[in-house]
Amino acid sequence: GAGVSQTPSNKVTEKGKYVELRCDPISGHTALYWYRQSLGQGPEFLIYFQGTGAADDSGLPNDRFFAVRPEGSVSTLKIQRTERGDSAVYLCASSLRAGEGYEQYFGPGTRLTVT
Amino acid sequence: QKEVEQNSGPLSVPEGAIASLNCTYSDRGSQSFFWYRQYSGKSPELIMSIYSNGDKEDGRFTAQLNKASQYVSLLIRDSQPSDSATFLCAVKNSGAGSYQLTFGKGTKLSVIP
Repeated sequence: GAGVSQTPSNKVTEKGKYVELRCDPISGHTALYWYRQSLGQGPEFLIYFQGTGAADDSGLPNDRFFAVRPEGSVSTLKIQRTERGDSAVYLCASSLRAGEGYEQYFGPGTRLTVT
Repeated sequence: QKEVEQNSGPLSVPEGAIASLNCTYSDRGSQSFFWYRQYSGKSPELIMSIYSNGDKEDGRFTAQLNKASQYVSLLIRDSQPSDSATFLCAVKNSGAGSYQLTFGKGTKLSVIP
């Protein structure tokens, strides 16, 4: 079946602009996660949704970052007033359920470059 | 701050040899552990999950877990050049409602033909 999909695959934006990154999870997966990966580092957690609600947003670096999942499927990560330090690969993952024993599967990522 | 430590490598092994990748973690309450493979320019791909102490085998891969020592390892038998990638150890955080993964920085494996 289809895996996690993310769009766009690449996004170049100017400092100060607003961007939206989209994630479409595996069909039937109720839990959705956003991570960010910088060069030479492992992915770092940003936010996790169970259904429509953000169950844990403790990884969002500041209030310029916001994410929604209005219908419990597709999610959008929104970044306001982008800064050069926001440049990274943004990864989305989904799992059948949250909790122990459920594996997270990653999408191909969106490479964000802020110039 | 929950931490996952891996040797960054690079780890070089000859084709056909066993590659051994190691990981330690700080969250003593963690119950779920994962190994992901990441090719250059690609996203992480899940290759193994392990939840109980001991060994778990899947093809050429064996994951080993020792919760008392807070240690997870991955053995790759009969290493192939196509195994050359970065291997990420991930630990699911413990605590109510906290299902995020904490990743190590990854170990870069190079299999020499």
